[in-house]
Amino acid sequence: ETGVTQSPTHLIKTRGQQVTLRCSSQSGHNTVSWYQQALGQGPQFIFQYYREEENGRGNFPPRFSGLQFPNYSSELNVNALELDDSALYLCASSRGRGEGQPQHFGDGTRLSIL
Amino acid sequence: SQQGEEDPQALSIQEGENATMNCSYKTSINNLQWYRQNSGRGLVHLILIRSNEREKHSGRLRVTLDTSKKSSSLLITASRAADTASYFCATDAGGTSYGKLTFGQGTILTVHP
Repeated sequence: ETGVTQSPTHLIKTRGQQVTLRCSSQSGHNTVSWYQQALGQGPQFIFQYYREEENGRGNFPPRFSGLQFPNYSSELNVNALELDDSALYLCASSRGRGEGQPQHFGDGTRLSIL
Repeated sequence: SQQGEEDPQALSIQEGENATMNCSYKTSINNLQWYRQNSGRGLVHLILIRSNEREKHSGRLRVTLDTSKKSSSLLITASRAADTASYFCATDAGGTSYGKLTFGQGTILTVHP
């Protein structure tokens, strides 16, 4: 069983640029959630995709957007990068809409904004 | 925003001792989950307890849930150096929020050999 994989592992960008992060969900999982984890903090929910549709969004501005593909892999796009966007971005997959299901996390993409 | 508080923020113990971490939350939940995070890595699911359960065990882990006090605790018995990690509780409110976890700030556990 293949786990959740994320790419790239590290990324350095400058303010104002745009970035795309990628996630392959675990085999058999059709729901992908994205989280932002600032240094020393717990993860914060960005949004969730279920069968290619957005299925809930946290308190993040519209410049954070996403996609889910027919194979249930997903992308997180961030436009107009700000210094505060520096964080570890985590992708998690689960079965169904996540009702009472544990989430399986990738190792994340470390994004640094200069 | 974070759902609640975890206590203590950091815990340092010797191998073989027990470690207890507490989590408080603010809103009603469908279930509460505990995750472990090793430095620089993703989160690993440890245990899930539903709102109608009071206690759950998994190997050396014991989780309790008190919905009247909106609190949970994680006990790791006979700690090992390999248990050194950050531990997070996460709440799932259920309903339209199913699967959208709200995490605490975590407890950093250090187990000395």
